[in-house]
Amino acid sequence: ILNVEQSPQSLHVQEGDSTNFTCSFPSSNFYALHWYRWETAKSPEALFVMTLNGDEKKKGRISATLNTKEGYSYLYIKGSQPEDSATYLCALPGAGSYQLTFGKGTKLSVIP
Amino acid sequence: NAGVTQTPKFQVLKTGQSMTLQCAQDMNHEYMSWYRQDPGMGLRLIHYSVGAGITDQGEVPNGYNVSRSTTEDFPLRLLSAAPSQTSVYFCASSAHPNNQPQHFGDGTRLSIL
Repeated sequence: ILNVEQSPQSLHVQEGDSTNFTCSFPSSNFYALHWYRWETAKSPEALFVMTLNGDEKKKGRISATLNTKEGYSYLYIKGSQPEDSATYLCALPGAGSYQLTFGKGTKLSVIP
Repeated sequence: NAGVTQTPKFQVLKTGQSMTLQCAQDMNHEYMSWYRQDPGMGLRLIHYSVGAGITDQGEVPNGYNVSRSTTEDFPLRLLSAAPSQTSVYFCASSAHPNNQPQHFGDGTRLSIL
């Protein structure tokens, strides 16, 4: 089982603030990293799949970066809105494995 | 666009009963998987399949069986339900398990009394 850690566990920000959180993983045998957004009472929805060191992905106000050499990815949200309130999950497959291991997530609450 | 369809959405069972959670996808994805979500534990992989006729165990397979007779369907069977299996179950599919995004169903909330 891969050790995937996300920090912080939860975050409260004011509407309009920008924020970021971290996904940490073992740097050896990296293959890919997934980010998902999970709203309460819904199912997880894919944001990004990143495979290359130095990758940067963007979707609207949300962007992500990847550093495979040091084993971390950042997710950034610019100008947070109440609709950004959700749990953000990262996940990685193990080396030579088809098993995706999820972190426990960062729960973001955006206060209007 | 149906995507990944799970049934039922809610179910209450008594300890010892058996049941099957259904999952179907219409995207012709080879990879399908079942997760359970418990408070403080995140999503944990139960079983997965990389194609029809091929299944394998995930992190928490005990008490569950799966089969994959077609590309579209991947049912999860609880053989003898236990209170520890009370959870929310998600089915997911993808074109590739590692470098393609997972598409999740809406979940099945299962309570074992």
